[in-house]
Formats: sequence, C-alpha cells, structure tokens
Amino acid sequence: GAGVSQSPRYKVAKRGQDVALRCDPISGHTALYWYRQSLGQGLEFLIYFQGNSAPDKSGLPSDRFSAERTGGSVSTLTIQRTQQEDSAVYLCASSARAGGLETQYFGPGTRLLVL
Amino acid sequence: QQQVKQSPQSLIVQKGGISIINCAYENTAFDYFPWYQQFPGKGPALLIAIRPDVSEKKEGRFTISFNKSAKQFSLHIMDSQPGDSATYFCAASYLGGGSNYKLTFGKGTLLTVNP
Repeated sequence: GAGVSQSPRYKVAKRGQDVALRCDPISGHTALYWYRQSLGQGLEFLIYFQGNSAPDKSGLPSDRFSAERTGGSVSTLTIQRTQQEDSAVYLCASSARAGGLETQYFGPGTRLLVL
Repeated sequence: QQQVKQSPQSLIVQKGGISIINCAYENTAFDYFPWYQQFPGKGPALLIAIRPDVSEKKEGRFTISFNKSAKQFSLHIMDSQPGDSATYFCAASYLGGGSNYKLTFGKGTLLTVNP
C-alpha cells in the first residue's frame, strides 16, 4: 500500500520567504509527527497530532513555525520568514495509533535550502 | 543536553564483518529503545527495538544488546553486507509518560560496508 508521501521533495527559498511543506500520512493513521533532520544531527521532534486532540507543539523552534492538520489527514508545516538556519530535511511520520510502541512510518522528507 | 549519545559517527566495515554501533542514554525513565535505518533520499525505517526487561534481542543478522546498569545499548550487524550501507539512528522513549510518543534520537552513524 501507499506509504507516507511528502511534497515538495526539494525546496529552495530565499531568506525571508514563507514556505509550506505537505505531508500525506498513511490512510487510517491517526497520529502524525513532524521532525527536522539537520546535517550531522539526529531527528529533532517538532510537532505531534493525534486525532482531534490538541497538538503537542513543544518541539517547534520558534513562532515562525506552525503546522495544521486538516480533516485528520493531510498536514502542512509552514515556516514564515525563513532563515538560513532553517535549511534541513523535514520529515513527516504517521502511526496507526498514539503510543510509544506504535511504529512510526516516515516519509522521504522535504529537503529545504534557504539561501 | 544530549540525552542519547551515539558512536561512532561513521563506520567502515568489510563485507562479512561485524558492525557495532553504540548508544548511551541519560534519562533512567527511558524504557523503549528502537533502532532506525535510513537509506539516502529515504525516510528512516524501524529496524529493531528492545525493552529493558531483556538484555538482548535478535532478528536475523541484527542484534540489540542492552545494559541497563550502564545505561547503554548497542546494535550488532553480523555478516555485514554492502546493502546494509546506510545511516543508523538509535532512539529512546518513555512509554509510561503522557508524551510517550516522543522519540529522542541519537545523531546517527553512517555505515559503509565495502564489498
């Protein structure tokens, strides 16, 4: 079956530009996660959505970052006024249910380069 | 504060050899330790995971060894193959907490298996 898909796969933005990154989770998965992977770094948790519950935004690095999940499915991560330090791979993952033992299935990521 | 420290940063192994990647954690509340494998241009994928009630878990050529008193765990890849060449991430989470979905990742190990 189809896995997690993300678009665009690559994005080049000028500093100060707003960008929107899309994630389509696996159909039926109620939990959705966003991570950031910087060069030479591990994965950094950004935000978590579970059903209709309030999202856990504790990992968002600044108020320039926001995310929404519409209809319990597609999610969009928005970065306003991008900075060079925002350059990274942004990964989306989904899992069937909430809970630490649930396997998180990752998408291929969006590679963002801010010039 | 880096809660999960991973080493080495990179590793080169000959085909047929044993690859060993080590991780150490600080938070004694962690009780779930997965390993993820990531190929270039792809998202991470769950490889194998362990709970602290066992000291070792084996799946095919992949084995996790866990030392609770030392707060360390390691991934052993037996009979390493060129197809194992990838970046490996260890992670940890606390299943009992309200944020049990949060995985704390190590910085990754780039494994190259030479033919």
